[in-house]
Amino acid sequence: AQSVTQPDIHITVSEGASLELRCNYSYGATPYLFWYVQSPGQGLQLLLKYFSGDTLVQGIKGFEAEFKRSQSSFNLRKPSVHWSDAAEYFCAVGAQAGTALIFGKGTTLSVSS
Amino acid sequence: GAVVSQHPSWVICKSGTSVKIECRSLDFQATTMFWYRQFPKQSLMLMATSNEGSKATYEQGVEKDKFLINHASLTLSTLTVTSAHPEDSSFYICSARDPQGSGNEQFFGPGTRLTVL
Repeated sequence: AQSVTQPDIHITVSEGASLELRCNYSYGATPYLFWYVQSPGQGLQLLLKYFSGDTLVQGIKGFEAEFKRSQSSFNLRKPSVHWSDAAEYFCAVGAQAGTALIFGKGTTLSVSS
Repeated sequence: GAVVSQHPSWVICKSGTSVKIECRSLDFQATTMFWYRQFPKQSLMLMATSNEGSKATYEQGVEKDKFLINHASLTLSTLTVTSAHPEDSSFYICSARDPQGSGNEQFFGPGTRLTVL
């Protein structure tokens, strides 16, 4: 069965510091992978996605993620965090087109000044 | 990108009443839409898959008679919470896949916050 694990429930980083949010997935074939961000009381905003090709994908707001098949991981990174990045981050996996996404439990990012 | 809207964005109702939430794909046709539920500080859990012109497919543990889903057109799916109770209070989010899009990218609505008193 497909599953997504986000090992870190809550992370605090200093403004300007680098960030890495971890995501591990379980799926038999190459999945479709996504990172979403959610601000309090808001819907989901897509940061980036991986379907195939280059394993390092660039997203919005300066985020990037790297797909590592051997580690079943799709970690999200940002070189310099801004206070406005404080939010909830969800990693999600999808199978073939037309199926629902499975979400990890999310990681809450706090940014300290 | 494709846009999905939800209405209302928030609703407060009395226990025992029914509430209808609409999910619309604004600039594309969606044969399939998904309904998720999110409890505070938790992840999104799939409730059901809404298929245009046919019955919805519910996830295990979701009461189909309580959460009525109707996908009457290629741009509209509705979720009706019948005889709502306080435990139904939650954040409901829909999503839809643009068939013209790539892979399995889905577009999410902004969500509907339901509070049952």
